[in-house]
Amino acid sequence: EDKVVQSPLSLVVHEGDTVTLNCSYEVTNFRSLLWYKQEKKAPTFLFMLTSSGIEKKSGRLSSILDKKELFSILNITATQTGDSAVYLCAVEALHDMRFGAGTRLTVKP
Amino acid sequence: EPEVTQTPSHQVTQMGQEVILRCVPISNHLYFYWYRQILGQKVEFLVSFYNNEISEKSEIFDDQFSVERPDGSNFTLKIRSTKLEDSAMYFCASRTGTNTGELFFGEGSRLTVL
Repeated sequence: EDKVVQSPLSLVVHEGDTVTLNCSYEVTNFRSLLWYKQEKKAPTFLFMLTSSGIEKKSGRLSSILDKKELFSILNITATQTGDSAVYLCAVEALHDMRFGAGTRLTVKP
Repeated sequence: EPEVTQTPSHQVTQMGQEVILRCVPISNHLYFYWYRQILGQKVEFLVSFYNNEISEKSEIFDDQFSVERPDGSNFTLKIRSTKLEDSAMYFCASRTGTNTGELFFGEGSRLTVL
């Protein structure tokens, strides 16, 4: 059975801290791994990763995929209160996309 | 900016009633999905749809569920006889193709079954 496991499940940090969120997976017919941010309703797209070892970066956020060890990390540097959200990892297989349970990040002022 | 739209935003229904949730995917997208998220829990895959047929469905998507693309724009999820445990946020999503980019999500339809 396909699995997507995120850790930690929740994290509380202070503004300015750096955080690393983890996602490991076991999926047949892997196509890509995506990171989403979910604040109130719909998940919003952050990154899509298909190749190992190539870092994707957007401002203070960055992510990388390791297809040999079957995991990805999402880094957020200099966290701000606006980064508080649930971060979802999703892995795309042949016909579907499966989500992990998410990491709830709380950034305190 | 094109977006996936869903209606209704919130529906309250009695157990046993039929419910239809509607979605208008982004117009040039070819792949369509339904997900659900029970309050406080993970986003769960229900079904994917391509070329007017179901590509994949999860174990959640039993005989009580069906999907349809009745015309060129709408994509619907029907729950035939709702149960209390069907209460959840239902997200529709679409994309241009597999392995070609992000999945665009609608804002969701919150279903409450009493």
